[in-house]
Amino acid sequence: GAGVSQSPRYKVAKRGQDVALRCDPISGHVSLFWYQQALGQGPEFLTYFQNEAQLDKSGLPSDRFFAERPEGSVSTLKIQRTQQEDSAVYLCASSPRWVGGQGGEGQYFGPGTRLTVT
Amino acid sequence: AQRVTQPEKLLSVFKGAPVELKCNYSYSGSPELFWYVQYSRQRLQLLLRHISRESIKGFTADLNKGETSFHLKKPFAQEEDSAMYYCAQRGAGYALNFGKGTSLLVTP
Repeated sequence: GAGVSQSPRYKVAKRGQDVALRCDPISGHVSLFWYQQALGQGPEFLTYFQNEAQLDKSGLPSDRFFAERPEGSVSTLKIQRTQQEDSAVYLCASSPRWVGGQGGEGQYFGPGTRLTVT
Repeated sequence: AQRVTQPEKLLSVFKGAPVELKCNYSYSGSPELFWYVQYSRQRLQLLLRHISRESIKGFTADLNKGETSFHLKKPFAQEEDSAMYYCAQRGAGYALNFGKGTSLLVTP
């Protein structure tokens, strides 16, 4: 079956431009996560959705970052007025059940969108 | 904040040699720990979870609460094991906290 897909795979933006990154999770997956991975680092959590509800956005680095999942499936991560420090790979992951307690459930990752801000 | 430490950035072993990728996590009463792997040009994928005590592709990882470690081991490394390996711990909320990763290179 189809896995998590992300588009675009590569995005080059000039500093100050707005960008929108799309994630299509595995069909029926309740949980959706966004991570940011800088060069040479592990992924760092940005935000989490359970269906359409954004339950945790504590990892968003600034108010220039905004994520939504209006119908509980596709999600969009928007970055306004991009800065050079926003250059990274943005990973989306989904999980079949809600995340809570001791679920032990792993996450299924997309291929990522590599954002380069010039 | 919870922290996952992978002390080795790069680990190089010969084919057939044993391999151990180290991971230490922040103390937690009931930690949830995972190993993820990323092969060249592929996406990040789950390798194993401590909760299931499974062996995948010959890899095992034992949770040692006394040492707060979750090292990944394989007795005989294969060239196809060359990849980036990330240890991750589920945080108090919903997020996975990842280590910085260890690049494993298995040479013939």
